[in-house]
Amino acid sequence: KNEVEQSPQNLTAQEGEFITINCSYSVGISALHWLQQHPGGGIVSLFMLSSGKKKHGRLIATINIQEKHSSLHITASHPRDSAVYICAVQKDSNYQLIWGAGTKLIIKP
Amino acid sequence: NAGVTQTPKFQVLKTGQSMTLQCAQDMNHNSMYWYRQDPGMGLRLIYYSASEGTTDKGEVPNGYNVSRLNKREFSLRLESAAPSQTSVYFCASSEKGRADTQYFGPGTRLTVL
Repeated sequence: KNEVEQSPQNLTAQEGEFITINCSYSVGISALHWLQQHPGGGIVSLFMLSSGKKKHGRLIATINIQEKHSSLHITASHPRDSAVYICAVQKDSNYQLIWGAGTKLIIKP
Repeated sequence: NAGVTQTPKFQVLKTGQSMTLQCAQDMNHNSMYWYRQDPGMGLRLIYYSASEGTTDKGEVPNGYNVSRLNKREFSLRLESAAPSQTSVYFCASSEKGRADTQYFGPGTRLTVL
């Protein structure tokens, strides 16, 4: 079983819909990262969080350490949000990030 | 600021050929990383450098070598390319290292025939 699981693998929605992408992990962590990979391949860090909630524009990320679960929400989704969203965790005892396989999001106009 | 730059963007090699992927960052970051991304899989760490002068193996180091030439530059070398090394390679950097935001280069798409 992978240490980091994302769901869904693929998500197609209409413009304006509220989007939720989930990330569950099975190891102790010091931080969790959300990243966005554009259709052209470029990767951008969105959030790094170790507790609670962070908001940036229409993006909100939450984490529940006890439940080992994080969610990424997009409000008022737009076609330009179409991308692969990747969750990665930083293990407590290890320097390296463990990466989820990503969620491919398509927002239709 | 250019951020993290990588060269080349695309490369085709024949089995057994060697090549070096170049990476440079202008953000004065201490830590640098090399990842590979294969279809349907998450990013996998090949090597990382926590600071100038140090390098460590990641999850999939076999078949690769790295050099942290100075604080700015971190290169990845394939001594004898194999078809299994066909992948997209990303370089990244972070200011402090542990649990810090990583900034990614645009990637190098490598095909080994």
